[in-house]
Amino acid sequence: DVVMTQSPLSLPVTLGQPASISCRSSQSLVYSDGNTRLFWFHERPGQSPRRLIYKVSDRDSGVPDRFSGSGSDTDFTLEISRVEAEDVGVYYCMQSTHWPHTFGQGTKLEIK
Amino acid sequence: EVQLVESGGGLVQPGGSLRLSCVASGFTFSSYWMSWLRRAPGKGLEWVATMNQDGSEKYYVDSVKGRFTMSRDNAKTSLYLQMNNLRGEDTAVYYCARDGGVNWGQGTLVAVSS
Repeated sequence: DVVMTQSPLSLPVTLGQPASISCRSSQSLVYSDGNTRLFWFHERPGQSPRRLIYKVSDRDSGVPDRFSGSGSDTDFTLEISRVEAEDVGVYYCMQSTHWPHTFGQGTKLEIK
Repeated sequence: EVQLVESGGGLVQPGGSLRLSCVASGFTFSSYWMSWLRRAPGKGLEWVATMNQDGSEKYYVDSVKGRFTMSRDNAKTSLYLQMNNLRGEDTAVYYCARDGGVNWGQGTLVAVSS
């Protein structure tokens, strides 16, 4: 199975400051069609996960532009340009290039 | 508006069975891959199973192979997960999700305990 490794696992951030989460995969995530099936999700306490980013860097509808994804092959990053209070929760990367699909361990973002 | 509504969770003894359902609306159900995912208490998200549009392709995580069966009824815009021989480690909130996780249901809790 492809192992997805996130860092840091805990991320205390001051409101208005940037935040960055790294996600590394144990194998290349480039699919046979040339796309890279790497996604980012946000889970708030008591709520269902919400997808933020698909195919490494495409923002889902309604996702604020302070969220951005980047990376390639095995190394990916989610960045929040200015953290807001509603951004607290756990962030997960996920790959669907290989079966089974696998998630990172999750990064818990909290406000300092 | 896309809606996914799961049901069928509950408390079951080890070795028991449950059948989860997910009713979809707001999109052309028959055109999309669908998945089941779960989050166990205190743990992260885990993908459980995925099925293509007509049910001819199914994929399962190793830990549920041979015990869980995913199916769908496109006429009823519904997704199912038959779970047999349940174990304690299957205790989790189960979610159905549309292709690539673009939409998720609210989840249904499955608790396996004696």
